Amino acid sequence: DAKTTQPTSMDCAEGRAANLPCNHSTISGNEYVYWYRQIHSQGPQYIIHGLKNNETNEMASLIITEDRKSSTLILPHATLRDTAVYYCIVRVGRGNQFYFGTGTSLTVIP
Amino acid sequence: GAVVSQHPSRVICKSGTSVKIECRSLDFQATTMFWYRQFPKQSLMLMATSNEGSKATYEQGVEKDKFLINHASLTLSTLTVTSAHPEDSSFYICSAPPGGTTNEKLFFGSGTQLSVL
Repeated sequence: DAKTTQPTSMDCAEGRAANLPCNHSTISGNEYVYWYRQIHSQGPQYIIHGLKNNETNEMASLIITEDRKSSTLILPHATLRDTAVYYCIVRVGRGNQFYFGTGTSLTVIP
Repeated sequence: GAVVSQHPSRVICKSGTSVKIECRSLDFQATTMFWYRQFPKQSLMLMATSNEGSKATYEQGVEKDKFLINHASLTLSTLTVTSAHPEDSSFYICSAPPGGTTNEKLFFGSGTQLSVL
């Protein structure tokens, strides 16, 4: 079962930063937080992941709170192509399965 | 980067027939692959974990005789939907981790849209 909760939907103006929150209050000390996004009828696309330090790559930044119970994905300059469902995932178990929660449907508005 | 290829992308079949979906890791070996199902406007649901050289592990509530999984090589896993019915119509997605470490990300195939008439 998914260990994360996210808001169902969010809007963001084009060109502005999109900040997507995620709660994972039961996360264990060695479990990573992953972010993926899915555009309609496509497979999920990897964005970023982290353990406890903030991470940044060419797509986004990941801010993880010090207690690791929540995190925020930041898309610094949202474009219309960033409209998608964004999933925050905590890997579970020795089998390393990914269980998807409900995700956040982000709509970037022109 | 690592690529997971899934085929076919779309299939339409008659009720009662079986459909096979292939998932290949193109530039890495995958001892484990994962199969997901996604209904419209819903999230991805993990169906089973495919293990090379051994039996697949199914999630609770998933019928193993209905959804046959074969992981015959380190680069290929197949999902066969047997005796498909309209309620099996869904988007099926496979994924694989390119490495064996616990912090490895998963790469996903592009999905297969199954429509059972």
